[in-house]
Amino acid sequence: QITLKESGPTLVKPTQTLTLTCTFSGFSLSTSGVGVGWIRQPPGKALEWLALIYWDDDKRYSPSLKSRLTITKDTSKNQVVLTMTNMDPVDTATYYCARPQQLAQGGFDPWGQGTLVTVSS
Amino acid sequence: QSVLTQPPSVSGAPGQRVTISCTGSSSNIGAGYDVHWYQQLPGTAPKLLIYGNSNRPSGVPDRFSGSKSGTSASLAITGLQAEDEADYYCQSYDSSLSGSGYVFGTGTKVTVL
Repeated sequence: QITLKESGPTLVKPTQTLTLTCTFSGFSLSTSGVGVGWIRQPPGKALEWLALIYWDDDKRYSPSLKSRLTITKDTSKNQVVLTMTNMDPVDTATYYCARPQQLAQGGFDPWGQGTLVTVSS
Repeated sequence: QSVLTQPPSVSGAPGQRVTISCTGSSSNIGAGYDVHWYQQLPGTAPKLLIYGNSNRPSGVPDRFSGSKSGTSASLAITGLQAEDEADYYCQSYDSSLSGSGYVFGTGTKVTVL
C-alpha cells in the first residue's frame, strides 16, 4: 500500500521560507521511473502544480514559481522536501504531495492528506 | 492562473447524466498530452478518477467515463448518485515558450439535486 504524508509548519510569516516534508511508504525513490510531486490549493480555489523530483534526481518546477522553489530527496529516509522562499499571504494554501504515475505526463496517484499553511504576520 | 477551463458548476437529479468539459489549447491538450480527472470530496484530498483520457483506476465505478477530442476533454457521470457530489478537476501537461509543466483545470462543483 502506497501512502504519503505531508508535514511542516502551519503558520509562517511573510518573507519567511517555508520547508515542507513529504514522508512516503510503499515505494522507493531509487526505483527507475518513480517520482514525487507537490501540488497546492488555496482555500476555495483550484489546484496548482508546484514541483516534481524523479528517482534520478531530475527536477521539474512550475515556470511561474521556479525562482522560489527547491525540491530535494532523501532516498534513505523515504522523504522529499520542498522549500519555498519569500512567502506571501497569497501562498496560503493546503499543500499536497503525490506520486506521479509511471506514464509520460501521467496523473498523480495517490495523494497525501495535505497540510494547511497560513501566511500571516 | 489555470490554463484549463472548466464550468464552475453542473447539477443533476439522481440517476441523470452530467458532463464536465475541460477546454485547453494547442500547447496542452491539443498538443496530444493526456488528460486526467480527479474527484475531490469535501475536506479531502483529490483522488484520481480517470487517467490517460479514458482509463479508470481499479475501484472507480464505470459510471465515470472520460473522452478527449482536439483541444478539449470531457468527464461524464451517468446514473448520478448523491455520493458523487464533489469538486472535479482535469489535469494535463503544458509545453510552451514560457516553460513546461503540469496544469490543472479551474474545477467544477457537481451538485446532486
